[in-house]
Amino acid sequence: NAGVTQTPKFRVLKTGQSMTLLCAQDMNHEYMYWYRQDPGMGLRLIHYSVGEGTTAKGEVPDGYNVSRLKKQNFLLGLESAAPSQTSVYFCASSFFPGTALSYNEQFFGPGTRLTVL
Amino acid sequence: AQKITQTQPGMFVQEKEAVTLDCTYDTSDPSYGLFWYKQPSSGEMIFLIYQGSYDQQNATEGRYSLNFQKARKSANLVISASQLGDSAMYFCAMRDINTGNQFYFGTGTSLTVIP
Repeated sequence: NAGVTQTPKFRVLKTGQSMTLLCAQDMNHEYMYWYRQDPGMGLRLIHYSVGEGTTAKGEVPDGYNVSRLKKQNFLLGLESAAPSQTSVYFCASSFFPGTALSYNEQFFGPGTRLTVL
Repeated sequence: AQKITQTQPGMFVQEKEAVTLDCTYDTSDPSYGLFWYKQPSSGEMIFLIYQGSYDQQNATEGRYSLNFQKARKSANLVISASQLGDSAMYFCAMRDINTGNQFYFGTGTSLTVIP
């Protein structure tokens, strides 16, 4: 079991460039999430998905798009990168919610450090 | 409205002493889960402990325990016998079960263990 993997681990972009971050999980989780982490602000939810073919906006969705064509993959796209999108991006996944930990535990990928110049 | 509040941006503790990291939460869902994560300087998010809203006893995992006070809506993390390796950022998080599409995270507490 690889758990949650993210590709790439590091990336440097110039303003205006586009890129896609890939998240993959092998735990058959229904839910997947993309967060960004900035100093002093904790984790902020960008977009999430509750199942294959579904996506929804989180707290900070502007400038990002996502797709979940397969249950195991969740893609985060930046169409025109801006310096304000310099951040560490985390993907996570979980089962459908329930009262026990096994339903609710959220598994994180290792993160992608993105710098936009 | 802030769902999770961590009021201690930074904390210091002497090695081998206990430390309490504060977390308060806000929800109207009677069914929810509370989590603590550790993020060392290497960056990964490490799950520490979970408390369900209907759990009668406070959760414990080794040196970690969760002081759950439901009426006060607080879920403080207690680390006993601190070790140098406990120096990290600690995040409190919550998931509402009935509307459980999202997890809510606090802004974190930076813990430094002093030898």
